[in-house]
Amino acid sequence: ETGVTQSPTHLIKTRGQQVTLRCSSQSGHNTVSWYQQALGQGPQFIFQYYREEENGRGNFPPRFSGLQFPNYSSELNVNALELDDSALYLCASSFGLAGSQETQYFGPGTRLLVL
Amino acid sequence: AQSVTQLDSHVSVSEGTPVLLRCNYSSSYSPSLFWYVQHPNKGLQLLLKYTSAATLVKGINGFEAEFKKSETSFHLTKPSAHMSDAAEYFCAAGGGFKTIFGAGTRLFVKA
Repeated sequence: ETGVTQSPTHLIKTRGQQVTLRCSSQSGHNTVSWYQQALGQGPQFIFQYYREEENGRGNFPPRFSGLQFPNYSSELNVNALELDDSALYLCASSFGLAGSQETQYFGPGTRLLVL
Repeated sequence: AQSVTQLDSHVSVSEGTPVLLRCNYSSSYSPSLFWYVQHPNKGLQLLLKYTSAATLVKGINGFEAEFKKSETSFHLTKPSAHMSDAAEYFCAAGGGFKTIFGAGTRLFVKA
């Protein structure tokens, strides 16, 4: 059984650019959630995907968007990057019905720096 | 609305002494409660989860947590700290679509 993996591990972008982060869910998991963790803070929920559809969203603007693919891998896209987008982005996968709160398993994260 | 408050931003203990990391939650229903640990430059690892089956929950690496509904608390304890326990710990409450995390408690372990 493989765990949750994320790529890339680190990324540097400039303001206004766009970025795509990738996540491969743990085998058998059908739900993926994305979190933003700013330095010194707890993770903040961005959105969740269940069976390729957005299932819930936190307080993040529309320039944060995502995709979930048939193999349950996922992408997080951020457009028009701002300095405050600099953070560790965590992907978490789980298995359950839409809206359920099953145990989530986290990947190691992608650290994004926006200059 | 849910909220999670970790009462200490930093806790320092000596190796071999007990660990207590405090967490209070607020929720209009009975959420699942979690403790995660995060080592430097790593993702979050689940320590334990409460889902109403038992108020005392045992986790990995000797950690346990007790759910006290009357106090809306879910404190994490370990009888004897080890140097490898030094890390950031996050309490979280889950329900519905998302998990709410506390701000974290950094645990320092002195030799």
